[in-house]
Amino acid sequence: EIVLTQSPATLSLSPGERATLSCRASQSVSSSLAWYQQKPGQAPRLLIYDASNRATGIPARFSGSGSGTDFTLTISNLEPEDFAVYYCQQRNNWPPLFTFGPGTKVDI
Amino acid sequence: EVQLVESGGGLVQPGGSLRLSCEASGFTFSNYWMTWVRQAPGKGLEWVANIKHDGNEKYYLDSVKGRFAISRDHAKISLYLQMNSLRAEDTAIYYCARVMSGELLAFDYWGQGTLVTVSS
Repeated sequence: EIVLTQSPATLSLSPGERATLSCRASQSVSSSLAWYQQKPGQAPRLLIYDASNRATGIPARFSGSGSGTDFTLTISNLEPEDFAVYYCQQRNNWPPLFTFGPGTKVDI
Repeated sequence: EVQLVESGGGLVQPGGSLRLSCEASGFTFSNYWMTWVRQAPGKGLEWVANIKHDGNEKYYLDSVKGRFAISRDHAKISLYLQMNSLRAEDTAIYYCARVMSGELLAFDYWGQGTLVTVSS
């Protein structure tokens, strides 16, 4: 079973700053990694898939990078609406089983 | 516009059963894998089950195997999760989501969730 670890658990930043979130897999997941944003009381929203591809409608300030076991979500120039919890998620090669990381909270 | 609307949550006693539904619209339902993801109160996300677009392949989280069953009805454009032998640790918001087409890498559309509470 592949385990995902996210760091830091909480990131305290100000609007306009750059956020760098890390996700590490216990073994290689190639590029099969996605990132989601979740705000209180809302469903998660897909931001990035396949490690670096932005989902439909996601602003360019969100970018993903990495492969193998180490991945990064970068939010450049934080907007007030970006303060939320961010989860990484990987898909097992086959069968398609999915695992989420524990999340990183980005707060003001 | 893609929409997913869950229903069927509620309060159930330990050992009881519940059937969740997810009505889909705005896309060709029969072309997509679908999934259920849950979130316990104040906790992170946990994938629960997947079903192939034709219903012929189903996969489950180990802790729900043998207790939960995912299914779909293309005539009703709906996804289901039959939950039996419920435990307190199954208490969560249950979301249905669409699996991205192609390499099944992520969940691109989500419903708003339905709350299941298992308690005596």
